[in-house]
Amino acid sequence: DAGVIQSPRHEVTEMGQEVTLRCKPISGHNSLFWYRQTMMRGLELLIYFNNNVPIDDSGMPEDRFSAKMPNASFSTLKIQPSEPRDSAVYFCASMRVGSNQPQHFGDGTRLSIL
Amino acid sequence: QKEVEQDPGPLSVPEGAIVSLNCTYSNSAFQYFMWYRQYSRKGPELLMYTYSSGNKEDGRFTAQVDKSSKYISLFIRDSQPSDSATYLCAMGTSYDKVIFGPGTSLSVIP
Repeated sequence: DAGVIQSPRHEVTEMGQEVTLRCKPISGHNSLFWYRQTMMRGLELLIYFNNNVPIDDSGMPEDRFSAKMPNASFSTLKIQPSEPRDSAVYFCASMRVGSNQPQHFGDGTRLSIL
Repeated sequence: QKEVEQDPGPLSVPEGAIVSLNCTYSNSAFQYFMWYRQYSRKGPELLMYTYSSGNKEDGRFTAQVDKSSKYISLFIRDSQPSDSATYLCAMGTSYDKVIFGPGTSLSVIP
């Protein structure tokens, strides 16, 4: 079975540019999560969706960050404009609510803002 | 005090050793407990999960929860070099409301 698929795996861009990260959850999963991982702060939840609806976006650091889930098989996390302090690894995870099973993660997007 | 605390390591052990990884937490409402393994440049991989207290065993891995002490452990028996990774504990009031520990880096030396 395909796991959570994220793209791109690596992104290097200049400060001020728009960055779009993509995620395809595991088929049949109805909750999707975006996390950010840094050495200083560890793994932090940014936002999560349930049945394509944003449930909790309290972890989104600023208005420069936005996330969408237009359908059950696709989500984006956008940063506009990007800043060097946004450099981190961004993970997407998914799960099926009610399955009594935890979240499964993708392999992340390593983002570097110069 | 952070909600979830974990020794960051690094922890270095010889091959074949028994490894004990631990986390403490402060929120007595937590009922769901997980361990994830993360290899370098990869995503966290679900290793074990359990609800409420008690032990759970899967091959060389045993997860233990002590809710009275707010303490969880992961034991690895007969550790192998392939176990070298960062181990993240995670816990919450449900599987969708989860807090992660900072991770313990483990190296198993052949």
